[in-house]
Amino acid sequence: QSALTQPASVSGSPGQSITISCTGTSSDVGGYKYVSWYQQHPGKAPKLMIYDVSYRPSGVSNRFSGSKSGNTASLTISGLQAEDEADYYCSSYTSSRTYVFGTGTKVTVL
Amino acid sequence: QVQLQQSGPGLVKPSQTLSLACAISGDSVASNSAAWNWIRQSPSRGLEWLGRTYYRSKWYNEYAISMKSRININPDTTKNQLSLQLNSVTPEDAAVYYCTREQHGFDYWGQGTLVTVSS
Repeated sequence: QSALTQPASVSGSPGQSITISCTGTSSDVGGYKYVSWYQQHPGKAPKLMIYDVSYRPSGVSNRFSGSKSGNTASLTISGLQAEDEADYYCSSYTSSRTYVFGTGTKVTVL
Repeated sequence: QVQLQQSGPGLVKPSQTLSLACAISGDSVASNSAAWNWIRQSPSRGLEWLGRTYYRSKWYNEYAISMKSRININPDTTKNQLSLQLNSVTPEDAAVYYCTREQHGFDYWGQGTLVTVSS
């Protein structure tokens, strides 16, 4: 199972919006609603930010939103803040009854 | 509040078995609405899903295809925990290992265990 493809890095100024893409295949991202997104700060465990493509867990800021079109899922962070600087990973359920993660994206707040 | 507390050795010799445990509080390993996963992370391989166990009237295990021949994930209902055994480890198995709850996404994570493979 190949990792989902994410851009290595994305940057933006405070207050701007950025979007991170996550590209897979019809056997994972395109075939299921079980796409989730994780934020990871250095030395910490990943934190769930979005599940089932577009749902936010309780306590996650509404500045984070998710969507999907075909084989590509996206995470948008609006009103970018310094605390959003972190690594972000997508994940998808697959037709093999397994999960696959994305390659990861480093978000830099300029 | 769900908490996952991992335990186990941080150093394993090549060809030996990696064994980790994950004690669950605030939920049950036999929950009918959750699954319990092991995920690892290394600089070279990124985040990698290893497998999961869950109970839906009976126990199910699902494993990453690349791991199937040497991995076991077992629930322990008496201790309310899950365990990971990875056989015949090599230096490529060095990583931070996490146990996670999966209900809607991987919503709770253990603190992580750094495992080094070295003689």
